[in-house]
Amino acid sequence: GDSVTQTEGQVTVSESKSLIINCTYSATSIAYPNLFWYVRYPGEGLQLLLKVITAGQKGSSRGFEATYNKETTSFHLQKASVQESDSAVYYCALSDLATQVVGQLTFGSGTRLQVYA
Amino acid sequence: DTTVKQNPRYKLARVGKPVNLICSQTMNHDTMYWYQKKPNQAPKLLLFYYDKILNREADTFEKFQSSRPNNSFCSLYIGSAGLEYSAMYLCASSRDWGKVFFGKGTRLTVV
Repeated sequence: GDSVTQTEGQVTVSESKSLIINCTYSATSIAYPNLFWYVRYPGEGLQLLLKVITAGQKGSSRGFEATYNKETTSFHLQKASVQESDSAVYYCALSDLATQVVGQLTFGSGTRLQVYA
Repeated sequence: DTTVKQNPRYKLARVGKPVNLICSQTMNHDTMYWYQKKPNQAPKLLLFYYDKILNREADTFEKFQSSRPNNSFCSLYIGSAGLEYSAMYLCASSRDWGKVFFGKGTRLTVV
């Protein structure tokens, strides 16, 4: 089946430092997977941070960016300078928008980001 | 109102008893979903309604039921709760190829 792997359960970063959260995927049943990053802020529901539909493209939002790399099957999330307000849980996800409804998502297990001042 | 509401936020249930979780949205979304989230695990899609058509994932087919009496409401029903059902249950909704909105979740504890 299809799967998403996030190897770090928690990442702690000092404010203004750079960040990378790793995500790799395996899409055995999807020819052209679509990739997403969702974020859950404390006390809130999951919300879409960014998405990339096409391999080789980059998505960006709120200073975060991620590039869909088909060769390495990766979709790492990066930010040049994090803020305390970025503290949240980040989930990588994939879907097949060609054959599935938009909310049919395969998620990774999430990475908790803690930013300290 | 662009929120997905889930009630209750916390629920305690006894082993062997039924559980009914409620979700609502007023965005006229055609699709509503239920996910299960256990600690240190990925959110897992259980089922979704596209309009009045229920789609259940193969590996959870017999464990969960759902109903959607109208466009705004969707329930998740567990006929006989077991300890393994303790989890956070996330409801979400969407329309066409638009944004997916998630609720804050219901934390179910089975004792």
